[in-house]
This record gives sequence, structure tokens and C-alpha cells, in this order.
Amino acid sequence: GAVVSQHPSWVICKSGTSVKIECRSLDFQATTMFWYRQFPKQSLMLMATSNEGSKATYEQGVEKDKFLINHASLTLSTLTVTSAHPEDSSFYICSVGLWRVRETQYFGPGTRLLVL
Amino acid sequence: GQNIDQPTEMTATEGAIVQINCTYQTSGFNGLFWYQQHAGEAPTFLSYNVLDGLEEKGRFSSFLSRSKGYSYLLLKELQMKDSASYLCAVRDKKSNYQLIWGAGTKLIIKP
Repeated sequence: GAVVSQHPSWVICKSGTSVKIECRSLDFQATTMFWYRQFPKQSLMLMATSNEGSKATYEQGVEKDKFLINHASLTLSTLTVTSAHPEDSSFYICSVGLWRVRETQYFGPGTRLLVL
Repeated sequence: GQNIDQPTEMTATEGAIVQINCTYQTSGFNGLFWYQQHAGEAPTFLSYNVLDGLEEKGRFSSFLSRSKGYSYLLLKELQMKDSASYLCAVRDKKSNYQLIWGAGTKLIIKP
């Protein structure tokens, strides 16, 4: 599979601040990365598909101005939660699609965000 | 529309066998995935089926019937560490090959 890292693993911040989460594909050049959000005891919710060198594709209901995605290289995508509020507290997970393994998605370890 | 159903929770005994079912409805089926997710962690890939039949991988096997829109994950010789949520996901051509996720089945293993 693919090795995917995320940083930071934990974030606690005050309401109104912005938080940047990095997702790195360590052993694979990923033209496409996916960003998910997961609330407690709920399933994964796709937020956006991140495409290297172009704009991200956001899912319906996800505010692109609030969740800024930048995929500037084949190994790095970032998600910035702007002006975070308590309702943004969640588990954010990125994944990469590995084309040589039937486009199986491999996930990073996730970032837990708590907004006070 | 698109829909994936799997039981919310199941309980099994250590050393036993358990089968977790998943039914789906999608118009552009392009493969079904099973992932394991331990509490507080990200999902890890278990199996992939795109053709009908059984795929075996160690203690875990996954079955697919496209005509019935049905899959199951079979776990043998259960171990305590198998306590986790098991997520069924379907790839849909008509949704730009994105994965459509089930809500997950929480599997509780008792000694």
C-alpha cells in the first residue's frame, strides 16, 4: 500500500483561529488526494477531492472558503480550516488513491481538531 | 440513488467466526472495499472485490454478488484485536469514481 502521514495529529485551538493540516504521501506521487471528516460514531464524509496543480473539487454542502485546500506538489496536500468554530471539531483524515492497486484509497492517521 | 446498508453492531466470541453483511444500491458499480477502523484511528484497507465470488486473505475473506448488490466480510478465528468498526464502501463510476461509504459495523469480541 501507500504510506501517508498527517500533521499535526492533535490540534486544540480557540474559536476564530485558522488551523492548517498537512497530508503527505511518503512513498507515492499522488495526483489525487481526498479529505474526509468524521464525527463521533458516524461514517466518513468526503469533504473534497484534492487535485495536484488545480483547484479542489468540493462536495455539496462543504464551504470552499472555509476549508481551503492546496495541493501544490505530488506529495503534499494541505487543508486549512479558517476561522474555526466549535462545530468544526472533528476527526479529519486524508487519503491517497493508489492507481497500481486498483485505486485503493490509503489513509493517513488522521488529525483530531478540538475548537474551544 | 446510492445507498449502503450494514448492521450497526455485532458481537462475537474469541476464536469464533463472524460474517458482516453489506448491501448496496448504486447505478455505476465499480468495486467494493472493506476497511477496518479501530476507535480513534483512521481506516485501514482490508479487501477489494469487483467480480463475483470470494476473495480470501488470511483470516479475512470477502464475498461479492453484483446481481444481488450484496457483499460480506468473513472473519475467522476471531481475536480480541479484531474488535473494531468495519466499513463497507462502494466505488461508483457515476460519482466520478468516489467511494460511497456505509456507516460501519462495530464488532465487539468477547472472551
